[in-house]
Amino acid sequence: GAVVSQHPSRVICKSGTSVKIECRSLDFQATTMFWYRQFPKQSLMLMATSNEGSKATYEQGVEKDKFLINHASLTLSTLTVTSAHPEDSSFYICSARRWVGDYGYTFGSGTRLTVV
Amino acid sequence: AQTVTQSQPEMSVQEAETVTLSCTYDTSESDYYLFWYKQPPSRQMILVIRQEAYKQQNATENRFSVNFQKAAKSFSLKISDSQLGDAAMYFCAYQGSQGNLIFGKGTKLSVKP
Repeated sequence: GAVVSQHPSRVICKSGTSVKIECRSLDFQATTMFWYRQFPKQSLMLMATSNEGSKATYEQGVEKDKFLINHASLTLSTLTVTSAHPEDSSFYICSARRWVGDYGYTFGSGTRLTVV
Repeated sequence: AQTVTQSQPEMSVQEAETVTLSCTYDTSESDYYLFWYKQPPSRQMILVIRQEAYKQQNATENRFSVNFQKAAKSFSLKISDSQLGDAAMYFCAYQGSQGNLIFGKGTKLSVKP
């Protein structure tokens, strides 16, 4: 139980285009989801916290107009990288908080974004 | 703001031996959770162990155990009988009142056969 599906696992896009990454909780309701960015050989940096039905809360330094987060349902949060540039190339990971059981976190398998 | 520090960028252990990974954190909160996550080459984050700050007893999960020193704000991970499959990046993480996880920079663990 407690599975989070993240899609796509890899995506290559052209500079200037937009890319959408989906994070879906398969067997539990996730009222809160977190989006992280991980550079090679570095740690996970929190980008934003999304709550179902409300606007996402972005960390300092994260451009909310570039990284659009939508959490329209209890099982789905999306991250859209708009007008992508090569510097947006990174590994993006989502995490969902479980509000039953152990109240722990389940991570998606990540998305490797390459902007060319 | 809370911070998590892992001072060992890389560690190496012989198969079947024991290794300890260090983690310190800084917080003014009294109620929080601490975690160790493993990230193998697949990049999937895997929970290794969790510790509630209000519990004095150190958490244990099979070959993995922690040494939680609340006053010293220290949270080390001990891996006993190391196996080749333990090779991975290990991240220490803090969860406080805001609910999100704050990660350390990680320790890359190599296991030698």
